[in-house]
Order: sequence, then C-alpha cells, then structure tokens
Amino acid sequence: EAGVTQFPSHSVIEKGQTVTLRCDPISGHDNLYWYRRVMGKEIKFLLHFVKESKQDESGMPNNRFLAERTGGTYSTLKVQPAELEDSGVYFCASSQWVGGSPLHFGNGTRLTVT
Amino acid sequence: AQTVTQSQPEMSVQEAETVTLSCTYDTSENNYYLFWYKQPPSRQMILVIRQEAYKQQNATENRFSVNFQKAAKSFSLKISDSQLGDTAMYFCAFMKHDQGGSEKLVFGKGTKLTVNP
Repeated sequence: EAGVTQFPSHSVIEKGQTVTLRCDPISGHDNLYWYRRVMGKEIKFLLHFVKESKQDESGMPNNRFLAERTGGTYSTLKVQPAELEDSGVYFCASSQWVGGSPLHFGNGTRLTVT
Repeated sequence: AQTVTQSQPEMSVQEAETVTLSCTYDTSENNYYLFWYKQPPSRQMILVIRQEAYKQQNATENRFSVNFQKAAKSFSLKISDSQLGDTAMYFCAFMKHDQGGSEKLVFGKGTKLTVNP
C-alpha cells in the first residue's frame, strides 16, 4: 500500500510569488488533513477535508491560503502571494475513519520564502 | 482549547538502555485519544503508539509503552532496549473525540531523542 505522498519535497520562492503544494493520500482514505510546522514552533492544524468537502478550516492563517480537493482524491494547498512567515514544513495526512483513527503522514514539503 | 506540553526539548540515551519521554496535556474533555509520533531525520512522521482515554490499560507496542495517568493528564512514553534507529524527534499529540466533526491533532513541541552507541 502506497503511503501519503507530497510534492515537492522542497520549494524555495521569493516573497510575493505563488506556490502550490500537492498531497496524494492513501487510497480509500476519505479524511485528508494539512498541518504546518514553522521553525521552532509546534505542528499546527490547518484544515480537514472529508472527501471533497472542507470539514474544518479553522486553522488556515489567512485568505492567502487556498486548499482544494477536487473529486475527493488528491489535494492542493496554494499560497498566494507568499510571505516570509509562511516558511516552514507543510505536512499532509490522511485517515480512514473518525473515532480516533491514527493519521498517516507524508514526508512534508519544506517551503522557504526569501 | 487543548494544550500539550513536552518539557524535555532534548534527551539522550545509551544504546540498549531505557528512556522515558514526558508529556502532559490540558483538556476539559472526557473522551479523547493520545498519540506518540516519531519523526526521524528522513522527516516522515510515523505513528509509535495510540491510547484511548477511556481505556485504563496502558498501550504497548513492542519496545514502546506508555504510562497513561488520566487524572494527572500525563502520557509518558517509555522506550526499552533503545536502538540507534530510535534517534528521532518525538511528538506527543492529543485528539478530541468528535464523531461528527473534525478530529484534529494538537501537538507538543517535541523532544529530540539521540541514541548513542
């Protein structure tokens, strides 16, 4: 079984540019999550999809962040325009059910905004 | 809001010895789950162990076990017979039970564990 995959693994962009991160969850997992770890801080929740619907987007920092999950399969997270404080590691995770189902994480995308 | 505290930013242990990582949390919820995740240098977050709050029995997974003290809101991880491959960042995480909503993880800041040969 393939795990959660994220692309790219690293991205370096200039302030003001746009970046799109992609996540492919484990096949059959309806729940897809985005998390972010800014240097030296805790890993923070961004949002949660159930299939193609946004179940909870309370962690999205501002309207420069847009997440989509068309067709309930892979998801993208777009940052436009990027700011310096957006630098960090963005993790995607998926799970099969609710009720304390463990989340399976991808390797993360390290985003550096210069 | 829930918070998770890992008071040990870094720890080290000799190979084959036992080490305990501490974690405390704050919540008013009664039904929840607790997790330990491991992030080795490869960066992939790997589930180590999971505990259901309504279960009094401590979870175990091979060399990994927890000491879950619900009243004290404590959830420590014990690693027995430490191996070099256990070197990683360890994150404690809390998840509120929410069958119809969003079960999101709240993480601690992590403990960097180094196993020395």
